Amino acid sequence: GAGVSQSPSNKVTEKGKDVELRCDPISGHTALYWYRQSLGQGLEFLIYFQGNSAPDKSGLPSDRFSAERTGGSVSTLTIQRTQQEDSAVYLCASSLVPTYEQYFGPGTRLTVT
Amino acid sequence: KQEVTQIPAALSVPEGENLVLNCSFTDSAIYNLQWFRQDPGKGLTSLLLIQSSQREQTSGRLNASLDKSSGRSTLYIAASQPGDSATYLCAIFGDSGNTPLVFGKGTRLSVIA
Repeated sequence: GAGVSQSPSNKVTEKGKDVELRCDPISGHTALYWYRQSLGQGLEFLIYFQGNSAPDKSGLPSDRFSAERTGGSVSTLTIQRTQQEDSAVYLCASSLVPTYEQYFGPGTRLTVT
Repeated sequence: KQEVTQIPAALSVPEGENLVLNCSFTDSAIYNLQWFRQDPGKGLTSLLLIQSSQREQTSGRLNASLDKSSGRSTLYIAASQPGDSATYLCAIFGDSGNTPLVFGKGTRLSVIA
């Protein structure tokens, strides 16, 4: 079946602009995660959604970052007033009980100029 | 706080060699452990998931082991091929399945024909 999809695949934006990144999880997966991969930094957790529970936002680096998940499916990660340090690859993953094995999308490469 | 270390950071081997990639973690109270492969400019591909009650998992030429008490996992690749060249990432679930993954920084593998 279809895997996790993300759009756009690449985004170049000017410093100070807002951007929206989209994630379509695997159909039926109840959990959805956002991670960020910066050059030389490795993968870091940003936020995750599980069913109808309140999202775990503990990994968001600042209040310029927010995310929502509509209808328990598609998620949008929004970065307001982008800064150059926001440049990274943003990865989305989804998973399903009982194994919780995470499946990743191809990522969105964000470049802030 | 869980920390994940992968050694070596980079490895170059001739085609046909068997090799072992190492992953260590500081907190043994883990739920599951997942090994991924990442090709340049791509997302993460799940290779193997080891549940906390298991000691190893096998898929084709790959075998992953888990020793929770010593905080270690290894990924064994048999008869390496140039197509195995990629970055291999180890990731730890927390004390339940519904937790974000904590990643190591990866081992960059080059298999030379």
